[in-house]
Amino acid sequence: QQQVKQSPQSLIVQKGGISIINCAYENTAFDYFPWYQQFPGKGPALLIAIRPDVSEKKEGRFTISFNKSAKQFSLHIMDSQPGDSATYFCAAKVRGSNYKLTFGKGTLLTVNP
Amino acid sequence: GAVVSQHPSWVICKSGTSVKIECRSLDFQATTMFWYRQFPKQSLMLMATSNEGSKATYEQGVEKDKFLINHASLTLSTLTVTSAHPEDSSFYICSAGQSPGTQYFGPGTRLTVL
Repeated sequence: QQQVKQSPQSLIVQKGGISIINCAYENTAFDYFPWYQQFPGKGPALLIAIRPDVSEKKEGRFTISFNKSAKQFSLHIMDSQPGDSATYFCAAKVRGSNYKLTFGKGTLLTVNP
Repeated sequence: GAVVSQHPSWVICKSGTSVKIECRSLDFQATTMFWYRQFPKQSLMLMATSNEGSKATYEQGVEKDKFLINHASLTLSTLTVTSAHPEDSSFYICSAGQSPGTQYFGPGTRLTVL
């Protein structure tokens, strides 16, 4: 049973466009939602994270939108650049757990120049 | 801050030999570290949770006698793949937990078993 459903599986965006990746969850015990960026052959890097008491968090060109009632959260990449081409993973942590994360299956983003 | 290193970054070994991978948190102490395996174009598969000073907790289906994990200090965890076989070839990634719930990942180790 996949606890965090991520979509789309792959995404192609033109340079300067907005990239949007969505994640949905069922477990209401999740209390922390990070996003990771992974380049080929590298480990994932923390991009941005949000707690459910906040509806939006922005860091530079990256924004997380969080809808607690719908149990959905999304990553928006504004002014997408070719250097943003990577695989993005959403994740969720259960309240009280020891840092253990449940990951989505990932989205391969390609930004064309 | 929050840098995690892994060594080696890649290793090639013969079938039947053992390989040790080190994971270090360089600028923070980590009571909890994780070991993942990742197949090409797939998500991260958690293998085990490593707690400093205690036995690792393995995920269902992961052979604890094959994948030995030791977390002897607050900055070092090791994964030893014993009697490696070609099917163990994969990308292994460690991470270290830091408040408030984030995992910081190492750069990964590419293991190829001939």
